[in-house]
Amino acid sequence: DAGVIQSPRHEVTEMGQEVTLRCKPISGHNSLFWYRQTMMRGLELLIYFNNNVPIDDSGMPEDRFSAKMPNASFSTLKIQPSEPRDSAVYFCASRKGQGGYEQYFGPGTRLTVT
Amino acid sequence: QKEVEQNSGPLSVPEGAIASLNCTYSDRGSQSFFWYRQYSGKSPELIMFIYSNGDKEDGRFTAQLNKASQYVSLLIRDSQPSDSATYLCAVRTSYDKVIFGPGTSLSVIP
Repeated sequence: DAGVIQSPRHEVTEMGQEVTLRCKPISGHNSLFWYRQTMMRGLELLIYFNNNVPIDDSGMPEDRFSAKMPNASFSTLKIQPSEPRDSAVYFCASRKGQGGYEQYFGPGTRLTVT
Repeated sequence: QKEVEQNSGPLSVPEGAIASLNCTYSDRGSQSFFWYRQYSGKSPELIMFIYSNGDKEDGRFTAQLNKASQYVSLLIRDSQPSDSATYLCAVRTSYDKVIFGPGTSLSVIP
């Protein structure tokens, strides 16, 4: 089975540009999570969806960030406009069912904003 | 107080020794606890999870949970150089969010 798929794997962009990160969860998983990881702040939960519905977006840092999940097999995280402090590795993870099930992480997107 | 805290590390142990990693959490209603391993430049992967008080063993790994003390630990027996990685403690809180700790870097010296 394919794991969680993320694209692009690396993204370099200039400050002010729009950035869109993409995620395809594991088939059959109904929860999807977006995380951001930096050395300073560790792994932070940005938003999570259950059955395509956003459940908690309290981790989204500001209005420049938005996330959508139009169907069970696709999600996007958009940053507009991007800033250098957004540079991080962004992970998408999916989970089957609610509760204590394991989250499976994608390979991540390394974002650099210059 | 941060929701999930871990030893700041780095932790260095000789090959063959026991590595002990600790984690505390603030939400007393938390139900599920996970240990992830993350190699440099890679994504986190689950190595252990525990729900009940006590110990849970899986090969060289033992997870220990004490809900009264809000404490969870991971023991790695017969540590190998391949165990060198960052270990992340994760807690599913009473409001169904999974919160990760800052991680502890482990180095196993041959």
